[in-house]
Amino acid sequence: RKEVEQDPGPFNVPEGATVAFNCTYSNSASQSFFWYRQDCRKEPKLLMSVYSSGNEDGRFTAQLNRASQYISLLIRDSKLSDSATYLCVVNIDTGRRALTFGSGTRLQVQP
Amino acid sequence: DAGITQSPRHKVTETGTPVTLRCHQTENHRYMYWYRQDPGHGLRLIHYSYGVKDTDKGEVSDGYSVSRSKTEDFLLTLESATSSQTSVYFCAITEGNYGYTFGSGTRLTVV
Repeated sequence: RKEVEQDPGPFNVPEGATVAFNCTYSNSASQSFFWYRQDCRKEPKLLMSVYSSGNEDGRFTAQLNRASQYISLLIRDSKLSDSATYLCVVNIDTGRRALTFGSGTRLQVQP
Repeated sequence: DAGITQSPRHKVTETGTPVTLRCHQTENHRYMYWYRQDPGHGLRLIHYSYGVKDTDKGEVSDGYSVSRSKTEDFLLTLESATSSQTSVYFCAITEGNYGYTFGSGTRLTVV
């Protein structure tokens, strides 16, 4: 079983739609959580950290459910520029600060 | 963005030859990482460093070695390249807040 699991998609949505991605993690000792965005043939870039109380950054909302060990990302009013792969990321081993990545969920926003 | 560069950006090499990839940072960050990214697997940790001359193995370290003789440089060596090492290699840095900054990646093809 993978330590971080995501639905690979693709999620095909029209512009303006709201779309949600979920991610589950297997290690209950996980400490930190993130969403990264990766455009085709580019490096991943930090989209947002995920806090226990939930957090929002513009059109993006992240939630963490420690009891069920899942993380979510909600994108409202989707833009064409949101088309990318979204990586769910967990810090399982705080000693070495190494992150564990999900395989990503691909989003395609269509005009 | 943090100053992090990878070289070369692209390389084609023959099976059995040694290959060295370079990661260079100008941010004086303590932690540096090498990941590989393959379809269906996401990013997987090869090796990491937590200081000059301090390195450790990640989950897919077989066939790879690393060196860090200066804070700014982290070298990844494929001792004898194999076709299974064809991949995209990303270097990443962090300092304290667990969020990574990635280099632009190296696309390596072993023929």
